[in-house]
Amino acid sequence: EVQLVESGGGLVQPGGSLRLSCAASGFTFTTYAISWVRQAPGKGLEWVSAISGSGDHTRYADSVKGRITVSRDNSKNTVFLQMNSLRADDTAVYYCAKEDCPSTSCSLFDNWGQGTLVTVSS
Amino acid sequence: DIQMTQSPSSLSASVGDRVTITCRASQGISNTLAWYQQRPGKAPKLLLYAASRLQSGVPSRFSGTGSGTNYTLTISSLQPEDFATYYCQHYYNTPRTFGQGTKVEVK
Repeated sequence: EVQLVESGGGLVQPGGSLRLSCAASGFTFTTYAISWVRQAPGKGLEWVSAISGSGDHTRYADSVKGRITVSRDNSKNTVFLQMNSLRADDTAVYYCAKEDCPSTSCSLFDNWGQGTLVTVSS
Repeated sequence: DIQMTQSPSSLSASVGDRVTITCRASQGISNTLAWYQQRPGKAPKLLLYAASRLQSGVPSRFSGTGSGTNYTLTISSLQPEDFATYYCQHYYNTPRTFGQGTKVEVK
């Protein structure tokens, strides 16, 4: 069974940093890309970032480019999202989602974690 | 970026009702469309892809149709566990974008 477990969310001040983790199990980790998708309170879904199965390729939404870095440790089946210069509009539940292919040009988010809440507020 | 617009934003229905949700893309997306269900407080779940293909394990009361810019999700007979918010998502190009969601509520 595919499992994705996010951690690392919390309250951070504007301009601060936070590192999220996504621990994966139940599938061959290096075979699939992983994305981060966020959901602001009471709002819809926004794709944020993707990393290829090898970790060699990454993509970012324009709204976070330059402030967020995605990485993965394939020896630990874990993906990370380093978020810097956080703003109030970054407040959201952050989900990691397994993609349906190994590249950063996949189609579907076929399995999701339960999400971790990031709140940016003074 | 391709804009995805769902209608209605919310609807009220009863168990057993037939429910239809529409998703319109700002340009043709060649059936590269997925539908997700999100129950309150839970993560989204993939229901359909390629506009009409059911994801493994999804009940057959869910179906999808469409082409070009216009797509629909239909629930043939609404069940208690189907009260949720539904999102469409295109994968025609990057970035993949979602519709704003349609909340199916109890009538």
